Amino acid sequence: DTGVSQDPRHKITKRGQNVTFRCDPISEHNRLYWYRQTLGQGPEFLTYFQNEAQLEKSRLLSDRFSAERPKGSFSTLEIQRTEQGDSAMYLCASSFTRDRRNEQFFGPGTRLTVL
Amino acid sequence: AQSVTQLGSHVSVSEGALVLLRCNYSSSVPPYLFWYVQYPNQGLQLLLKYTTGATLVKGINGFEAEFKKSETSFHLTKPSAHMSDAAEYFCAVSASNSGNTPLVFGKGTRLSVIA
Repeated sequence: DTGVSQDPRHKITKRGQNVTFRCDPISEHNRLYWYRQTLGQGPEFLTYFQNEAQLEKSRLLSDRFSAERPKGSFSTLEIQRTEQGDSAMYLCASSFTRDRRNEQFFGPGTRLTVL
Repeated sequence: AQSVTQLGSHVSVSEGALVLLRCNYSSSVPPYLFWYVQYPNQGLQLLLKYTTGATLVKGINGFEAEFKKSETSFHLTKPSAHMSDAAEYFCAVSASNSGNTPLVFGKGTRLSVIA
């Protein structure tokens, strides 16, 4: 396994700007998850995909957030008109439903700072 | 709905002492439970998991946890703390009886190890 990768690792932006993050899951993993982690808190679920289908979105995911996984491989998470409250670590994870491991593997995260 | 409570946001132990990190959960389905560790500015690494079967589960780095249904607990222990164990620890429960669905995390416990 080459592991889950995320890009960029850090992003600083000004309020009102749009940002996009990318996640590359472990090869052959059919499920991909996005979580958000604010300072001093545990990760909170945002959305997840099976292949290219978005299965569920959390109520945390406002209309300014959109995620896609167009070919069932990498995924992008876009935040439009960023707000200071969007500052957080955005974590991506992936898993494979056809094995018995029942494990999600996490990437290193993208830390977003909105000034 | 699933939820996780981690008692103690910060635990401090001496090197070589017992580590005990507490986790209680609430789940409407038979729970799948996980402990993850997070080092500064990194993603989450799975320490161990309980799915079905043996209630005492062993993980990496000498950690283990016991699933106690009657107490709705899944406490993490390690007989002898090492300086390298200093990190943030998160307990999580799966939204369904599978590890391939969104995880609900506790707020985390920061473990400090004193020389």
